[in-house]
Amino acid sequence: GAGVSQTPSNKVTEKGKYVELRCDPISGHTALYWYRQSLGQGPEFLIYFQGTGAADDSGLPNDRFFAVRPEGSVSTLKIQRTERGDSAVYLCASSPPGSGELFFGEGSRLTVL
Amino acid sequence: QKEVEQNSGPLSVPEGAIASLNCTYSDRGSQSFFWYRQYSGKSPELIMSIYSNGDKEDGRFTAQLNKASQYVSLLIRDSQPSDSATYLCAVNGGSTLGRLYFGRGTQLTVWP
Repeated sequence: GAGVSQTPSNKVTEKGKYVELRCDPISGHTALYWYRQSLGQGPEFLIYFQGTGAADDSGLPNDRFFAVRPEGSVSTLKIQRTERGDSAVYLCASSPPGSGELFFGEGSRLTVL
Repeated sequence: QKEVEQNSGPLSVPEGAIASLNCTYSDRGSQSFFWYRQYSGKSPELIMSIYSNGDKEDGRFTAQLNKASQYVSLLIRDSQPSDSATYLCAVNGGSTLGRLYFGRGTQLTVWP
């Protein structure tokens, strides 16, 4: 029983670069979420997918952030023109149908220099 | 803005004691409440969910919910050093089931 898998675990990039973070949810979980956690803070919601579509993207901070889930399983979070303020741990979570219980992956730590 | 407030901590208790963690929330419409445990450098792990007023027990953990007071708590009985972690309170908001609002967490240390 594999959990939520996220890659890369660590990403260091330079300001202005483009990054992609990948998430593979638990098999059978139709709902997938992206959260972001800064040091000393709780996770903050970014976007929610039900199947292939983004059902709620109201947490994305600006239009540099975008996420896709083309086949209803793996999702990619894309950040354009990265800024130092984007540095955080990006957490992916999935949940069983009809449940609000989130199961988190180990996260991708993004550092923008 | 939906707010979730937790004791700032850190909370330090001796092994075998009861640790009490508290959380208040601002949105009266919230229906689902969760406690997550987060070890340093790790991701949050769900330990308790509660949906109705009253107590819910699971092993050494008891979650308590009082919707009228907008208050959720977590009791850890017979605390162990392995319970040392940050405990995050999370509350759902809006129509998206898994759209949770998290508190900043309370850091718990259990000393032997």
